[in-house]
Amino acid sequence: GAVVSQHPSRVICKSGTSVKIECRSLDFQATTMFWYRQFPKQSLMLMATSNEGSKATYEQGVEKDKFLINHASLTLSTLTVTSAHPEDSSFYICSAGQPNTEAFFGQGTRLTVV
Amino acid sequence: AQSVAQPEDQVNVAEGNPLTVKCTYSVSGNPYLFWYVQYPNRGLQFLLKYITGDNLVKGSYGFEAEFNKSQTSFHLKKPSALVSDSALYFCAVRDSGAAGNKLTFGGGTRVLVKP
Repeated sequence: GAVVSQHPSRVICKSGTSVKIECRSLDFQATTMFWYRQFPKQSLMLMATSNEGSKATYEQGVEKDKFLINHASLTLSTLTVTSAHPEDSSFYICSAGQPNTEAFFGQGTRLTVV
Repeated sequence: AQSVAQPEDQVNVAEGNPLTVKCTYSVSGNPYLFWYVQYPNRGLQFLLKYITGDNLVKGSYGFEAEFNKSQTSFHLKKPSALVSDSALYFCAVRDSGAAGNKLTFGGGTRVLVKP
């Protein structure tokens, strides 16, 4: 199946700093990628839809200035958590897939803000 | 709006016994249904999908699922569970009218297979 790679898998940062998470589709082009957030023992919450060459579409309640998304190429989307605070600590997962197929997920990024 | 329900937070089963994880859905158009499995601190791994065709879908690792339109269900099954099947399972739906691979997930069901 298609491969989606997410990096880093784990990051610890100080409160107030920014963290960038990368999501790459390794063997296919993805005009659309998705970013999810998962709280402990809970389901995935869609944060935003990353659109290649245009602005991301954010779900209701997600701060676009807080979670900056850039989809500059057909194989790379980045999520930047700006001015991170402890409440931003979470597991972030990206997904991508070709049209009318299943979505493939990255390995996830465990963000801890101290 | 589409939605997915997984009524059981946790399912416990003895190794070798049948495993069933329940899922019901609600969509406005034709449903595209998926099952994913998640191991600790990992992303989601695709198990199987229903798009069209046979109601019984066979997937990875011996799992299968049955699409039931009248009951709007898509239960995941495995005839003989293994300890290694212990993980978090998610049912997801994509409305056929939706663009891309935007999924709505159920709350997840934790499966614990005891030796």
